Amino acid sequence: SAVISQKPSRDICQRGTSLTIQCQVDSQVTMMFWYRQQPGQSLTLIATANQGSEATYESGFVIDKFPISRPNLTFSTLTVSNMSPEDSSIYLCSVETGGRGEQFFGPGTRLTVL
Amino acid sequence: GNSVTQMEGPVTLSEEAFLTINCTYTATGYPSLFWYVQYPGEGLQLLLKATKADDKGSNKGFEATYRKETTSFHLEKGSVQVSDSAVYFCALRKGGGADGLTFGKGTHLIIQP
Repeated sequence: SAVISQKPSRDICQRGTSLTIQCQVDSQVTMMFWYRQQPGQSLTLIATANQGSEATYESGFVIDKFPISRPNLTFSTLTVSNMSPEDSSIYLCSVETGGRGEQFFGPGTRLTVL
Repeated sequence: GNSVTQMEGPVTLSEEAFLTINCTYTATGYPSLFWYVQYPGEGLQLLLKATKADDKGSNKGFEATYRKETTSFHLEKGSVQVSDSAVYFCALRKGGGADGLTFGKGTHLIIQP
C-alpha cells in the first residue's frame, strides 16, 4: 500500500470562493483518482488525474468546476471552484498500486461551504 | 452503466453473531469486486477483494465470494466483535481498464456487547 496525505484536512469556505486540495503520495503511482462523499452518501468518482495530460471526468463533473492538476507521479490537486453549499462534502484522493487493481484512499478533506 | 446495490442499514447485531451484508452489482464484462470499511473517525480501508468468478476474498475473519451467476459479492463473518462496528462499502471496478471504483451506498454495522 501507499501512504497518502491530503491538505487541508478540513476547511470552512464562503460561497463563491475556490479551494484547492492537495494530495501527496509517498511513492510514484500511475493512477490517481478524486472522489466526493456527500453527507450520508456513498463515494462518487469525480475524475481520474492523468500525469502529463488533462484529467478524465465522470458524467456530471466538469473541468471548469473541478480543475485538476497532476504535475508528477506523486502529487495532484483538485480545485473546487465558485463554491456553493451543495459542494459541502468530503473530498478524497485515491491511488492504485501494485498492478492488482487495489485502490488506497487518503484521509479526506472535509469541506463546508457557508 | 455500472452500479452496486447494498442492503440498507443500520444493521445491529449482538457480539458473536453471524454477519451477512448483501451486495449485488450490474456491470458489463468481468469487473473486480471489493469491500471497503470505514471505522469511526478513520479513513476508508480496503478489506478484501476478488477479481474473477468464484474467487473468495478474505481478511480479518471476513469473507466474500464472487458469484457471477447471481452477480453478488456478499460479505460474511462467522462471529462479529464490537470492534467490527463500522460502515462497509461494496465496490466494483470494471475489467480491462484503469478505472475508478463504483461504490454502493454503504451499510452501517453496529455490534452490541
